[in-house]
Amino acid sequence: AQSVTQPDIHITVSEGASLELRCNYSYGATPYLFWYVQSPGQGLQLLLKYFSGDTLVQGIKGFEAEFKRSQSSFNLRKPSVHWSDAAEYFCAVPGNQFYFGTGTSLTVIP
Amino acid sequence: ETGVTQSPTHLIKTRGQQVTLRCSSQSGHNTVSWYQQALGQGPQFIFQYYREEENGRGNFPPRFSGLQFPNYSSELNVNALELDDSALYLCASSLSGGPIAKNIQYFGAGTRLSVL
Repeated sequence: AQSVTQPDIHITVSEGASLELRCNYSYGATPYLFWYVQSPGQGLQLLLKYFSGDTLVQGIKGFEAEFKRSQSSFNLRKPSVHWSDAAEYFCAVPGNQFYFGTGTSLTVIP
Repeated sequence: ETGVTQSPTHLIKTRGQQVTLRCSSQSGHNTVSWYQQALGQGPQFIFQYYREEENGRGNFPPRFSGLQFPNYSSELNVNALELDDSALYLCASSLSGGPIAKNIQYFGAGTRLSVL
């Protein structure tokens, strides 16, 4: 069955520093992959998606993610984090339903 | 702003009661999915409705039921509430003509249900 794993429960970075959030997937074929962000008290907002083609995908808010089949990974990156990026981040893979990871909570310190 | 609205925002119920949560889909979307998000967890898929019919279901008991109306708004009903049903319930709408895989889902802000 499809699944995603987010190994990091919580990450703290300084404002202006680079960020990488890890996501590993389990899927038989080439998956579709999504990253969502959830701010406190809010629903989930789509950051970016991978369907096929170029393995480096650009999203909103300056985020990007790279699909690496050899590592079964779809890590989310941002070159310079802003305080407003503090939120919960979820990786997801669809199959007969949408499977979300358990999330990574990001804290940004000034 | 996704255009998906959920009501109520917060709800407190006691064990054994029944609850109905409502969702208004984004304009033009014909598919709605419901998720349960327990504290500190990712969303868990409850079920999906496509053109008023259930189109997939996660590992939830039958006391979780739903409806989708002709205007594509939706309800989630939970009977015989248990303490573990306390969670954030998220509704997501999408435009689908087929498999779930490529559906881009747009989420509402959720309903926070507390069961005492």
